[in-house]
Amino acid sequence: AQKVTQAQTEISVVEKEDVTLDCVYETRDTTYYLFWYKQPPSGELVFLIRRNSFDEQNEISGRYSWNFQKSTSSFNFTITASQVVDSAVYFCALSDENTGNQFYFGTGTSLTVIP
Amino acid sequence: DADVTQTPRNRITKTGKRIMLECSQTKGHDRMYWYRQDPGLGLRLIYYSFDVKDINKGEISDGYSVSRQAQAKFSLSLESAIPNQTALYFCATSDLGAGAEVEQFFGPGTRLTVL
Repeated sequence: AQKVTQAQTEISVVEKEDVTLDCVYETRDTTYYLFWYKQPPSGELVFLIRRNSFDEQNEISGRYSWNFQKSTSSFNFTITASQVVDSAVYFCALSDENTGNQFYFGTGTSLTVIP
Repeated sequence: DADVTQTPRNRITKTGKRIMLECSQTKGHDRMYWYRQDPGLGLRLIYYSFDVKDINKGEISDGYSVSRQAQAKFSLSLESAIPNQTALYFCATSDLGAGAEVEQFFGPGTRLTVL
């Protein structure tokens, strides 16, 4: 069965610190996709990144970076030099071909960046 | 204008009342979804539709029904609302892409309170 675990419920960091949000997933499919979404205090869900199971190359986008490791079934998200605007709930999600485009979301990690 | 809109944005109703949440999209996507978000539980799938004639139950469909009136419109109904249906409801869309790779785009959410 598909499952996404975000063990960190809440994290607080001081501005400019680096922070890593963990995501561990389970799937029996060999073809699958992983996603990160951001939910700021205003409530909307903002798409951040998609990664497919065949591409383990890490990705960097500005202060954001993602580390995908199939060996540990993890897709972790690091924010470098955090800012107050990074305060949000972050969700990791999984979809695979066996279930079409159904998304399985983790329970989210609430990040607070303290100025 | 937003690509995915939801009405109403906020609703307070009483136990036993029938209520409908509406979702419209201008993205031209075939696939539409309804989720509910509860604190600490992440997003859970209620119903999804791959086209106007294809509607499927999600993880937590009991107590809900849906109608896909057109490609652009997908409504969620609570026939007889109960307090534990108090939650934040999201509509999402995705394109009919190859496999499960396509990300979902979310509406702004409807906050429903059942007294």
